[in-house]
Amino acid sequence: QSVLTQPPSASGTPGQRVTISCSGSSSNIGSNTVNWYQQLPGTAPKLLIYSNNQRPSGVPDRFSGSKSGTSASLAISGLQSEDEADYYCAAWDDSLNGGVFGGGTKLTVL
Amino acid sequence: QLQLQESGPGLVKPSETLSLTCTVSGGSISSSSYYWGWIRQPPGKGLEWIGSIYYSGSTYYNPSLKSRVTISVDTSKNQFSLKLSSVTAADTAVYYCARSLDGLTKFDYWGQGTLVTVSS
Repeated sequence: QSVLTQPPSASGTPGQRVTISCSGSSSNIGSNTVNWYQQLPGTAPKLLIYSNNQRPSGVPDRFSGSKSGTSASLAISGLQSEDEADYYCAAWDDSLNGGVFGGGTKLTVL
Repeated sequence: QLQLQESGPGLVKPSETLSLTCTVSGGSISSSSYYWGWIRQPPGKGLEWIGSIYYSGSTYYNPSLKSRVTISVDTSKNQFSLKLSSVTAADTAVYYCARSLDGLTKFDYWGQGTLVTVSS
């Protein structure tokens, strides 16, 4: 059972907008920033969104992040087949004094 | 371009100690503002943060693994290492090393990962 809760799966058709949620608590998302990772099959995770809503250089602006209270969301607009991957949220947890990941969401592009 | 490379045995016997090293190239492990971390992923499962270390040696560990984990840094070799003792089959996973910037969960550079299997 992960400290951060994500839906196990999500799906959409090409061109659609999809959102993935990440629910936490006051000790993690509620008091620290959220980072999102994309993991393509057989590869290492890649930083997709940091500090709740910032994109690293090279990440398309189709990807966006937001945070409200103890929850965060990743939105992907103009869905493409190459977006099919696993997505993870992560944050620092002050109570655990450690990093925590969500359980991951497998995105399928139909 | 910063690169990280994990190395170590791919097979470890139950009750023994898993030892991995991450070699950093294209940048100094002694740079300020960066932490260096280990993350693992059991086959078919999600990511788990193991712990992180600053070049000065200060460490943070996952509370669930803290009693078995040691992370150390060797600035002269530009490497940092992971030791996980008393391993069981549940420790079978792909182990990644990564650099974190501006905090301990913002991993911007990752190694390719190495599969460690715990089996007799």
